[in-house]
Formats: sequence, structure tokens, C-alpha cells
Amino acid sequence: DGGITQSPKYLFRKEGQNVTLSCEQNLNHDAMYWYRQDPGQGLRLIYYSQIVNDFQKGDIAEGYSVSREKKESFPLTVTSAQKNPTAFYLCASNVGPGQGAQPQHFGDGTRLSIL
Amino acid sequence: GQQLNQSPQSMFIQEGEDVSMNCTSSSIFNTWLWYKQDPGEGPVLLIALYKAGELTSNGRLTAQFGITRKDSFLNISASIPSDVGIYFCAGRDTGNQFYFGTGTSLTVIP
Repeated sequence: DGGITQSPKYLFRKEGQNVTLSCEQNLNHDAMYWYRQDPGQGLRLIYYSQIVNDFQKGDIAEGYSVSREKKESFPLTVTSAQKNPTAFYLCASNVGPGQGAQPQHFGDGTRLSIL
Repeated sequence: GQQLNQSPQSMFIQEGEDVSMNCTSSSIFNTWLWYKQDPGEGPVLLIALYKAGELTSNGRLTAQFGITRKDSFLNISASIPSDVGIYFCAGRDTGNQFYFGTGTSLTVIP
């Protein structure tokens, strides 16, 4: 089945450690996005990529990094510079710009906690 | 980036009642979307709206794209316990950017 796979489901980070969240899609979508969700809040955009080998900062990019070397993969690294990383992280994708108005589809999320 | 104004923030209703929630924006969108999110899961798309004035149904759900392109509403008729969850609206702009509401938490009392 086509979809977006995020892994792991749960992740724990020690102080000073970098961790990487995986996001893979087999929908042949050009655009991919990372959001952070805190309790009782909406989704805040961390990074997005409209095409392979290109990505842009979102509203809360500080302390995070991404890469987009392959169309189907958009990993997110939470660095030690992110002082409050505990949150639910959601990856999404859509067909991309200039391809008609199409919705975003989401993965099942990764919950990151501090040890 | 902007967050859309979504209301109400939470609702507690009896099973069988109808539900209405809405979303407003300061910007014009070319697409309005409604999602449902269960605890610990990713949002699932319920309805997508692509034209101003469009009214679309999906089972007991009905949503409309406001004529000004700055608002949308979602109605759920004859609520059932499995409707429990958080409902989000989202708007898409011409740059393929998506903006989300803060969510409406729905509790259905059997």
C-alpha cells in the first residue's frame, strides 16, 4: 500500500545527543514536510522540501536539520542545540507545487522524549 | 507562519447530536482541508475542498469552502462514539504551503 512511514514510533534522547527521525514515502510525491506538535497546540512547520536536493526552513527550524538526497526520504535530525525537543513529530507529503491543488498526507508520527 | 483561527476549542456532546466547527484565516487559500487525529496517531484526511463555495460530503461529514476563500466549516451529523478525536482545519496557499488550525477536541458522551 502507498503511504508515509515514520520510524521509530518512540525515541528517547540523552542530553547533548543528536537523534534522527526517519520519514519514507512511496507515493511519488515531490514535496515533504516536518511538523512539530506540542500538547493542545496545532502543527508548527520545522522544514519542508518541494523537490529533491532542496529544502527550506519553516517557522521553528532552529536546532533541527534535514536532508533530501532521495525523493522518497526526508530524515529530520534533532540536534543538541534544540533545548526543548520533547514533542510529537509528524512528517507529511504532497504531490508538490505546480501539480494541482492536492492535500497533504501524514505519517503516524514519532514521539520524542528526553531521558 | 500564521495559524488559523479554529473554533470551538473543545466540544462535549451527547451521542446522536450534530456538531459544527469552523476555521477562519487572514489570508486567501486555494484549498481547504479537514483532518481528524486520534491520540498518538497522525492526522487523517477527511475532506478536501478546492473551489470557493464548494460543499462536499463524506458520509456524515459535510464541509464547505467559504465564498471569500478565507473560511471553512465542518459539520458532523448524528455523532457516534468513534467520532471522538481532534479535528484540524488546514489551508493551502499558491506556494504549496499549508497552515493549520489549533484543533477542536471532540468528546462524544454515549
